[in-house]
Amino acid sequence: DAKTTQPPSMDCAEGRAANLPCNHSTISGNEYVYWYRQIHSQGPQYIIHGLKNNETNEMASLIITEDRKSSTLILPHATLRDTAVYYCIVRPPAGGTSYGKLTFGQGTILTVHP
Amino acid sequence: EAGVAQSPRYKIIEKRQSVAFWCNPISGHATLYWYQQILGQGPKLLIQFQNNGVVDDSQLPKDRFSAERLKGVDSTLKIQPAKLEDSAVYLCASSLRVVGSYEQYFGPGTRLTVT
Repeated sequence: DAKTTQPPSMDCAEGRAANLPCNHSTISGNEYVYWYRQIHSQGPQYIIHGLKNNETNEMASLIITEDRKSSTLILPHATLRDTAVYYCIVRPPAGGTSYGKLTFGQGTILTVHP
Repeated sequence: EAGVAQSPRYKIIEKRQSVAFWCNPISGHATLYWYQQILGQGPKLLIQFQNNGVVDDSQLPKDRFSAERLKGVDSTLKIQPAKLEDSAVYLCASSLRVVGSYEQYFGPGTRLTVT
């Protein structure tokens, strides 16, 4: 499974954009990049995923570099409720026993302050 | 749409005792996962079911942990006997297993404290 590297912590001011980086230099061509977050005392929550193209949904945007070795999750207007641990995960190819398996790292603790 | 349900939310036991956790996935989700999350770490997959069959239990400590999903719907995870290092949050998740999309929905977890 491809490994990811994320900064252990980041701060962001409320109302500003939060840009969370992730390095995945060993990613394979058919592996997706997934982002989840975990608010304190809750289970992880799916945010967004992508393969090659940039993606956007109601929660966030995902920017994947052309060589796919890194990505950035963007929360356009961070609120206090976005304070959480953010996990960047590379999902292994479909098929076999790793189908759908998510391997979580340490993640990035994002603190949004007033 | 109802989410993934888990019970109990909290459990405190003494070492060498046994404990069981219950999970009811989202209706229609064929795939069910159990994760263990130790304080300060990301969740670690223990076991994955596809309907009522096990597809991955490579990280399940089988000498003390067991899990079942008899009718392909809800599931139980059991620890017997518990050790101090089993103190963690046990998370259940489910997914539709649709090709190209593997979004997993997580329950709130059960916080286990072994004393």
